Amino acid sequence: DTEVTQTPKHLVMGMTNKKSLKCEQHMGHRAMYWYKQKAKKPPELMFVYSYEKLSINESVPSRFSPECPNSSLLNLHLHALQPEDSALYLCASSLPTSGNYNEQFFGPGTRLTVL
Amino acid sequence: GENVEQHPSTLSVQEGDSAVIKCTYSDSASNYFPWYKQELGKRPQLIIDIRSNVGEKKDQRIAVTLNKTAKHFSLHITETQPEDSAVYFCAARKEYGNKLVFGAGTILRVKS
Repeated sequence: DTEVTQTPKHLVMGMTNKKSLKCEQHMGHRAMYWYKQKAKKPPELMFVYSYEKLSINESVPSRFSPECPNSSLLNLHLHALQPEDSALYLCASSLPTSGNYNEQFFGPGTRLTVL
Repeated sequence: GENVEQHPSTLSVQEGDSAVIKCTYSDSASNYFPWYKQELGKRPQLIIDIRSNVGEKKDQRIAVTLNKTAKHFSLHITETQPEDSAVYFCAARKEYGNKLVFGAGTILRVKS
């Protein structure tokens, strides 16, 4: 399996809702990433997990809460979001870099709309 | 921190012509430079990458060049086809880090 999968594909939520985005990979990758992408803009890094531990948090608001239950799964829990959080949320994975030049594989993304 | 600038922001070429997209980076510690293609509504996909110990790399119609002294790298697409139309992102990363820093992107339109 050489793919990163994400569910759901689309999500519409109100500002008081709680929802979760899910990401899964079975490539044996030990680094997993969450990105936020606005239309016609580059992916913007949010979080990085390395060996199931949070290694990078790019000063993301606490209404976004990541979780890495095991080496194949990555979740992003959403609570009390704002309309400006509407975007495409991309998950990616790679072998840990540590001196290696490892490609990041992106999932198809979840299109999130906050009403 | 690292900053990557990408030019042009949009590029229109006639089918069969060549396209060149340029990026500059600020951190001399960066040593891995991938290029991603993102079609409308799709995920970014790696099309080519280059390491800092290499000056040029080619894969069929796509090539990337790197000038470490000047801290810039470029994507070259020859014999462009309509299916090359997409947004292209350059990126840079340090050797001992997971963080990719992306350029702003170039919208490439290939007119047939």
